Amino acid sequence: SAVISQKPSRDICQRGTSLTIQCQVDSQVTMMFWYRQQPGQSLTLIATANQGSEATYESGFVIDKFPISRPNLTFSTLTVSNMSPEDSSIYLCSVGTGVGETQYFGPGTRLLVL
Amino acid sequence: GQQLNQSPQSMFIQEGEDVSMNCTSSSIFNTWLWYKQDPGEGPVLLIALYKAGELTSNGRLTAQFGITRKDSFLNISASIPSDVGIYFCAGRSADSWGKLQFGAGTQVVVTP
Repeated sequence: SAVISQKPSRDICQRGTSLTIQCQVDSQVTMMFWYRQQPGQSLTLIATANQGSEATYESGFVIDKFPISRPNLTFSTLTVSNMSPEDSSIYLCSVGTGVGETQYFGPGTRLLVL
Repeated sequence: GQQLNQSPQSMFIQEGEDVSMNCTSSSIFNTWLWYKQDPGEGPVLLIALYKAGELTSNGRLTAQFGITRKDSFLNISASIPSDVGIYFCAGRSADSWGKLQFGAGTQVVVTP
């Protein structure tokens, strides 16, 4: 398994501002994903973070709103831009060692937008 | 994204009882994963299944990959208070490039 840490663990932000969430893994991984979990809901994939290239976004999510970086095989960031109260969610980083491998999740970042 | 059909949505059981939940999909999957999420935490992997018909145990937990490759179930035997949480199934198809589809979750409440 992989040990995954996320920063910050939680934050309260004002609408219109942006927040960058960091995900650090203790070993090199092939796949890194970002998920959103709205209150009381299941997990929704935002994008696949690709090392050295642009992220691949799922339907309903765009780069201008959720820019993602992945400079190496152990680190990624997700920015939630121009936030509104509807962005209040848990944001989760997930990693996998290969396309067909198990995925592990970080502890999540709890975001509240006022 | 697209969700799997996970049931039941919630379960209220007494300590010591067995719990069973399942997930079905319209797509064929080559991987089924079961996670548990406690309040304020990220999902923790319980069991991973990679082969149709596979039956795997992890302590009091048992999960099976359905023969049709479109379903999976998770059983918890002799439930204890720490089994409280939300259980999610997740599946992956061969053409999904590693991406998982998640069920809506089963909330388990265990009473003494």
